[in-house]
Amino acid sequence: EAQVTQNPRYLITVTGKKLTVTCSQNMNHEYMSWYRQDPGLGLRQIYYSMNVEVTDKGDVPEGYKVSRKEKRNFPLILESPSPNQTSLYFCASSFIGSGYTFGSGTRLTVV
Amino acid sequence: GESVGLHLPTLSVQEGDNSIINCAYSNSASDYFIWYKQESGKGPQFIIDIRSNMDKRQGQRVTVLLNKTVKHLSLQIAATQPGDSAVYFCAEIVQGGKLIFGQGTELSVKP
Repeated sequence: EAQVTQNPRYLITVTGKKLTVTCSQNMNHEYMSWYRQDPGLGLRQIYYSMNVEVTDKGDVPEGYKVSRKEKRNFPLILESPSPNQTSLYFCASSFIGSGYTFGSGTRLTVV
Repeated sequence: GESVGLHLPTLSVQEGDNSIINCAYSNSASDYFIWYKQESGKGPQFIIDIRSNMDKRQGQRVTVLLNKTVKHLSLQIAATQPGDSAVYFCAEIVQGGKLIFGQGTELSVKP
């Protein structure tokens, strides 16, 4: 089944403790992206990647890192999480110029 | 700047009625638009798309209309069902494949 898989689905962590949210897609998509979704602010892009070893900042990249060592994987790294990064995170992938397929989301709480 | 917005944040309809969800966009260079449906606790799901060389596209119970003159997009859902209750987002693909989302309209279907 064609899908985008994120893990974990839920995560509660403490301020400053590094964490990684994994994202994997099995559709051979070139384009992958991370979004965060917050009430009243909608979906905002954090980082995106147009292919292996090519990443770029989205609209809200501060406090996040990404890597794209393989085409299928696009992990989101929070080196020192803070409470303002409490949010619902979505990974998405697509062929460039096409509609995105989204993962099921990761609900992160930073206390 | 680039923005895609929705006219109404909430819409309540009676089961069996038709629903119309509206969207305004500001980037006249965009040539590809998508409607997504997001149910509670899930990631956005592709509903229907339309390219700028079209005015109308129909799917199963859904129709998207594009008016490039006034930069307006609408989603029509025929015979709305309780399972249609969700948040609906319009989105546009801009240069480089980035997807920009509107804020979303919450559709509630009354039995």
